[in-house]
Amino acid sequence: KNEVEQSPQNLTAQEGEFITINCSYSVGISALHWLQQHPGGGIVSLFMLSSGKKKHGRLIATINIQEKHSSLHITASHPRDSAVYICAVSTSGSARQLTFGSGTQLTVLP
Amino acid sequence: NAGVTQTPKFQVLKTGQSMTLQCAQDMNHEYMSWYRQDPGMGLRLIHYSVGAGITDQGEVPNGYNVSRSTTEDFPLRLLSAAPSQTSVYFCASNPGSGNTIYFGEGSWLTVV
Repeated sequence: KNEVEQSPQNLTAQEGEFITINCSYSVGISALHWLQQHPGGGIVSLFMLSSGKKKHGRLIATINIQEKHSSLHITASHPRDSAVYICAVSTSGSARQLTFGSGTQLTVLP
Repeated sequence: NAGVTQTPKFQVLKTGQSMTLQCAQDMNHEYMSWYRQDPGMGLRLIHYSVGAGITDQGEVPNGYNVSRSTTEDFPLRLLSAAPSQTSVYFCASNPGSGNTIYFGEGSWLTVV
């Protein structure tokens, strides 16, 4: 069983829809990262959080440490949001090493 | 500010050849790492470094070698390329625990 599980693996939405991507982990963590990867491109960090909630533009990330669960929300989705979204955790034993989920492929249709 | 720079972006190797993937960062980050990304799998840590002169193995180190002679540079060497090393490679850096991580643009490697 992977230490970091993401769901869904694939998600197709219509422009304007509210989108939620989930991440569950099974180990103690010091921080959780949400990353974005566009086709053929590099990986960009969206959020790093260890508690509560963070918001940047139309993106919101939440984390529940007790339930070992995080969600990434996108409000008013747009085709340019189409990308792979990756959850990664820094484990308590080694705060600078990351364990990654396998990613969620999001496609937003116009 | 260039961030994390990886070269080359694309490379085709023959089985048994050796090569070096270059990674440089200009943010004075202590921590640098190399990952490989394969279809259907999350990124996996190959090697990492917590500072100049210090390196350690990650989850999938076999067939790869690294060195960290300066804070800026962290090259990854493939000693004798194998088809199983066909992958996309990412270099990353961050200043330390609890900080944002920065990735390079990726290097697409095919071993035939």
